[in-house]
Amino acid sequence: AQKITQTQPGMFVQEKEAVTLDCTYDTSDPSYGLFWYKQPSSGEMIFLIYQGSYDQQNATEGRYSLNFQKARKSANLVISASQLGDSAMYFCAMTGGSYIPTFGRGTSLIVHP
Amino acid sequence: ADVTQTPRNRITKTGKRIMLECSQTKGHDRMYWYRQDPGMGLRLIHYSVGAGITDQGEVPNGYNVSRSTTEDFPLRLLSAAPSQTSVYFCASSYGLLNTGELFFGEGSRLTVL
Repeated sequence: AQKITQTQPGMFVQEKEAVTLDCTYDTSDPSYGLFWYKQPSSGEMIFLIYQGSYDQQNATEGRYSLNFQKARKSANLVISASQLGDSAMYFCAMTGGSYIPTFGRGTSLIVHP
Repeated sequence: ADVTQTPRNRITKTGKRIMLECSQTKGHDRMYWYRQDPGMGLRLIHYSVGAGITDQGEVPNGYNVSRSTTEDFPLRLLSAAPSQTSVYFCASSYGLLNTGELFFGEGSRLTVL
């Protein structure tokens, strides 16, 4: 079985500052994938970033980076230079050997001007 | 849209039989139904790895699915209950080439009175 834990129900950040959203995972699969989704207030799910368990480097996509620490089983999302439009729910998720995605409970991010 | 869900909103009464439709044009072999409730993230109801193949997820009770074609994956509530009031998301993805990206529908908000 695989499990995703997001311990921050809500986070606040000042515009233009960086913010880290925490995610820890648990799996017995040797090969797995970790990813993040954004859900703005409009409700759609937006894919942000993916990290494979065998990738040597942390994934980056524009202002998003995934801080992957395999030994700690963590996959934190870092958003640099926050913008007002970054205010949303953020979900961490993973796939293991079955390729069935499991999601965390989400973190609500509010960006203050 | 790559993944289309209908209806977008539905209000029904306890005991009614309801069908939420989902159709994808990506040719993906895998399709999923999740429900989203406040503070609970996305929980997997049922999934399919190909036409004619379905399996239960984390919260399958009270729901039924079928996959007669690659494109369509309807979700049926056999006897709607207030506890099934939720936002339902259908999603699709590639199978063994899955790099984490799910293609989500826009969601179906269901209210059971």
